[in-house]
Amino acid sequence: QKEVEQNSGPLSVPEGAIASLNCTYSDRVSQSFFWYRQYSGKSPELIMSIYSNGDKEDGRFTAQLNKASQYVSLLIRDSQPSDSATYLCAVKPRYNNNDMRFGAGTRLTVKP
Amino acid sequence: EPEVTQTPSHQVTQMGQEVILRCVPISNHLYFYWYRQILGQKVEFLVSFYNNEISEKSEIFDDQFSVERPDGSNFTLKIRSTKLEDSAMYFCASSEAWRRGWPFSPLHFGNGTRLTVT
Repeated sequence: QKEVEQNSGPLSVPEGAIASLNCTYSDRVSQSFFWYRQYSGKSPELIMSIYSNGDKEDGRFTAQLNKASQYVSLLIRDSQPSDSATYLCAVKPRYNNNDMRFGAGTRLTVKP
Repeated sequence: EPEVTQTPSHQVTQMGQEVILRCVPISNHLYFYWYRQILGQKVEFLVSFYNNEISEKSEIFDDQFSVERPDGSNFTLKIRSTKLEDSAMYFCASSEAWRRGWPFSPLHFGNGTRLTVT
């Protein structure tokens, strides 16, 4: 079982729509969860972190965490063409280690 | 805003040669990492480094790889004898100190070094 799983996409949404990106993880004791955005040929860029069950909003972005279901998602409201990128879900897999593991990423295309 | 810097941006080398990839982490960060991303694939963990020693390494990080913090600012990844399959983007990252029981600090990534082995 992969540690962090994401649908690879591509996910295509029209400009102005809500994009919904999903991620599941295997390590039940994971404590910290992150969403990164990666443009083609560039490095991952942190969008949001979430540590507690529920929703966390930051501008057009909302992260949702459900530890019981081992599920984390990212909603992008009012999607813009500039949001077109690969979105990486990252999880800190074990309580006392200091590395982070990434999903394969979901490629999002926002069409004007 | 402080950032992680990596040099060179692109390195071309012949199979069997040694390469050193360089990174300057954010100055007040204490954890350092190397990840790699083969073209079209996921970001893969290689190694983490804390307090002048390797904290954790993945199965990818075999004997041909080594890391070093030769001075107070640089953090390097050495590949002793490069193979064709080492061709990838190598990302350095750093994070603030982490304490058990506290939320894990996010990683901040450099722009990467694209390594091409011919």
